[in-house]
Amino acid sequence: KAGVTQTPRYLIKTRGQQVTLSCSPISGHRSVSWYQQTPGQGLQFLFEYFSETQRNKGNFPGRFSGRQFSNSRSEMNVSTLELGDSALYLCASSPTTGPPQETQYFGPGTRLLVL
Amino acid sequence: KNQVEQSPQSLIILEGKNCTLQCNYTVSPFSNLRWYKQDTGRGPVSLTIMTFSENTKSNGRYTATLDADTKQSSLHITASQLSDSASYICVVTNTGGGNKLTFGTGTQLKVEL
Repeated sequence: KAGVTQTPRYLIKTRGQQVTLSCSPISGHRSVSWYQQTPGQGLQFLFEYFSETQRNKGNFPGRFSGRQFSNSRSEMNVSTLELGDSALYLCASSPTTGPPQETQYFGPGTRLLVL
Repeated sequence: KNQVEQSPQSLIILEGKNCTLQCNYTVSPFSNLRWYKQDTGRGPVSLTIMTFSENTKSNGRYTATLDADTKQSSLHITASQLSDSASYICVVTNTGGGNKLTFGTGTQLKVEL
């Protein structure tokens, strides 16, 4: 089975621009979660999608949004980029949105640099 | 406030030695605790996951322990190898409000010859 894939792997943008990141979960997985990872803050939860619906949301401003398609692929969008948005953005998939014992499988991440 | 604290922040050990990483949490209500290994430039990979009733779980040379009373967990690595060099992240899930995950900032482990 192919793992979680994320595109692009690397991205450079300038302040004020917007960016869209893509995540394809493991085949059969219906839950996709997005995380931001920075050296100072560690991993922080952005949001989770299941069956095209946002199920959970972290404490990020409205500039961060996402969606999930009927094939479970997910996209994350960040508008009006700020320097502080530079980070590794990780996507994780799991079969369902529960039970809590299920393991999440992470993709390799998209490294975003905002200049 | 739900928090996960890991110690030490970084650690250097010689190949073949053992080491123990610590994780203290204040997440409530507790659902499960996971340890992940993250190699540089890659996504985290799950090592172990433990629920409230489990106090030890092994995955090869990795053994995790959980004390739900003191809200502490440890990850013990036996006979370390160069490939163990990575960041080890402790993640605690709470059951309130939809299985929210709280991440520790990780312990950066370097194994040297």
